[in-house]
Amino acid sequence: GESVGLHLPTLSVQEGDNSIINCAYSNSASDYFIWYKQESGKGPQFIIDIRSNMDKRQGQRVTVLLNKTVKHLSLQIAATQPGDSAVYFCAENRNSGAGSYQLTFGKGTKLSVIP
Amino acid sequence: NAGVTQTPKFQVLKTGQSMTLQCAQDMNHEYMSWYRQDPGMGLRLIHYSVGAGITDQGEVPNGYNVSRSTTEDFPLRLLSAAPSQTSVYFCASSLQQGQPQHFGDGTRLSIL
Repeated sequence: GESVGLHLPTLSVQEGDNSIINCAYSNSASDYFIWYKQESGKGPQFIIDIRSNMDKRQGQRVTVLLNKTVKHLSLQIAATQPGDSAVYFCAENRNSGAGSYQLTFGKGTKLSVIP
Repeated sequence: NAGVTQTPKFQVLKTGQSMTLQCAQDMNHEYMSWYRQDPGMGLRLIHYSVGAGITDQGEVPNGYNVSRSTTEDFPLRLLSAAPSQTSVYFCASSLQQGQPQHFGDGTRLSIL
C-alpha cells in the first residue's frame, strides 16, 4: 500500500502569505526524503531534500522540516508567489537492501496562489 | 545540455498495438527509471536501471519491457497496449541510485 501520503489534496493561499504542505510516511527505515514541484504539463522538478539525520533544511524561500517521532514531513514556502502554483509531491527514498533504493511518491497537494 | 528528453509527447494507440517510448539523457547519469502517473495515484515506478546492461522491475512492471544498451538511452516498450495503460509516462535519471532525479516532461499516452 501507499506509505507516503499527504494530509490535504488542495491548498489555496493568498499571494505573499506562507504556505505549509504536509506529508506523512509510514516506513521508519526511510532515510532520505525529497520534495518535488510539478507544474501543469511538466515533469516533477526537484525542490529540496533532507536526510533522516537532520530535522530541518532551508533553501531559497523553502524550508523542509522532518519529525521522525511522528513520521511527518512538511514543506514551507515563504512569501508565496503566483509562480509557486503547482502540485507538490513528497517522495520517500527507501533503502530496500543491498544498496538498492526505491523512490515512493505521495499523491500530491495542489497549491493555488490567489493574487 | 538538454537534460532528460522524452519522445513522443503525445500518442494515441489502439488496443493491441505496440510502441516504444523513447528516453534519452545527456548528463552521463547511471540511474534511469520510468514512472506512470495516473489521477489520484501519484507516480508509480515501472522499471529502472542502475547502469548500462542492467534493468530491474519496479512497482508496476506488467505489460512493459525495458532495455539499457547505452548509458544515454532507456526505452520503454508496450508489446500489446491495453486501455489500462492510458497514462502519462515520465522518464527520470540521476547520477546514481538514491540521488534526486531529473524528470522529462512526459509522454501522454491514450489507448482506445
